[in-house]
Amino acid sequence: DSGVTQTPKHLITATGQRVTLRCSPRSGDLSVYWYQQSLDQGLQFLIQYYNGEERAKGNILERFSAQQFPDLHSELNLSSLELGDSALYFCASSTTTDTQYFGPGTRLTVL
Amino acid sequence: KNEVEQSPQNLTAQEGEFITINCSYSVGISALHWLQQHPGGGIVSLFMLSSGKKKHGRLIATINIQEKHSSLHITASHPRDSAVYICAVRRGTDKLIFGTGTRLQVFP
Repeated sequence: DSGVTQTPKHLITATGQRVTLRCSPRSGDLSVYWYQQSLDQGLQFLIQYYNGEERAKGNILERFSAQQFPDLHSELNLSSLELGDSALYFCASSTTTDTQYFGPGTRLTVL
Repeated sequence: KNEVEQSPQNLTAQEGEFITINCSYSVGISALHWLQQHPGGGIVSLFMLSSGKKKHGRLIATINIQEKHSSLHITASHPRDSAVYICAVRRGTDKLIFGTGTRLQVFP
């Protein structure tokens, strides 16, 4: 158990819908990272937050947004969903630029 | 060409064999990570390296910064080592770039 929690575990929705994925980092970790793992593209970095502020941005679509709240939990919002957004979404947390601890992931299926 | 290349893509071994997975990268990095992804999907961070060698149990990771190459070795492999092993390099402060992974199957 990494100490990082993600909800929900599984999410099935339809094209055009909007969903929110939630991540609670390990106690004391200020950094939260979001990753997408799809079958055809592997793991890709989406975005990072540090203590509530956006710190780095990767291959995140404009339809996707994220935020980190004062209690340090983070949410990834995915809107106008397409079939190609079906993937595993991982959250990870770290204290510094050291080891990242991964959550169990949310499996999103868009039908 | 991917910035991070792993080889082999797939690897099968008999229990007890010594295993090597390679990772080459083409960009400047501040650190390199080795991750293990279990069949159920969970990801565990195995090592973070910026130079030299690290050992944890039966796992050894090495990195050669000049040659832009890292290896992950598993000694006395066991069926429970069956997983996907992913190399990731850190550029700048935090962004990770991932390799496509090496799928390892160890048979009894």
